[in-house]
Amino acid sequence: SQQGEEDPQALSIQEGENATMNCSYKTSINNLQWYRQNSGRGLVHLILIRSNEREKHSGRLRVTLDTSKKSSSLLITASRAADTASYFCATDAMGGGNKLTFGTGTQLKVEL
Amino acid sequence: DAGITQSPRYKITETGRQVTLMCHQTWSHSYMFWYRQDLGHGLRLIYYSAAADITDKGEVPDGYVVSRSKTENFPLTLESATRSQTSVYFCASSTRSGSSYNEQFFGPGTRLTVL
Repeated sequence: SQQGEEDPQALSIQEGENATMNCSYKTSINNLQWYRQNSGRGLVHLILIRSNEREKHSGRLRVTLDTSKKSSSLLITASRAADTASYFCATDAMGGGNKLTFGTGTQLKVEL
Repeated sequence: DAGITQSPRYKITETGRQVTLMCHQTWSHSYMFWYRQDLGHGLRLIYYSAAADITDKGEVPDGYVVSRSKTENFPLTLESATRSQTSVYFCASSTRSGSSYNEQFFGPGTRLTVL
């Protein structure tokens, strides 16, 4: 079963609006990572947040982590058409055996 | 060029044939991974490797074989291809900091169709 589950599965917004995606997971983690995938391409790393961090920023991206609720959110502010992509969370579980576990992703569409 | 590459990018084969997908990285990362991506399943780990000559099964290893004789290469072989192995395959590499993984770098993918 998937360790990380993203919500919503799909999101459609207008350019300039903010987009929020959520990720829930099941076990304790070392870190949680967010990736973007443009159609037909490989995944690209966006941001990594460690288990002892609560919030992290990178440009227009803001990631929060609540280990008590086993959840994370990715906020993209002032979205652009170029942000249209699928977004995945991935968890590095404690004792997880040398691997990341990816969720099924959120498909974001930013319309002009 | 530096980075992680996969070949071929597209492959059509027939049921029962053996197929090998290649992955090459130039960073000397210790860790390498093979994933498959199917609609509704996200990315699922097939095999991974912590170093040359060290490999281990992931979530969906059946029907696949890997080897890693050199740090930079991590080929994936489908011993006898089945239609259910039609998918997009991604290779990735990474390093670790202590007990946790750093970011993974992904190749561009191989789209495999088994007829």
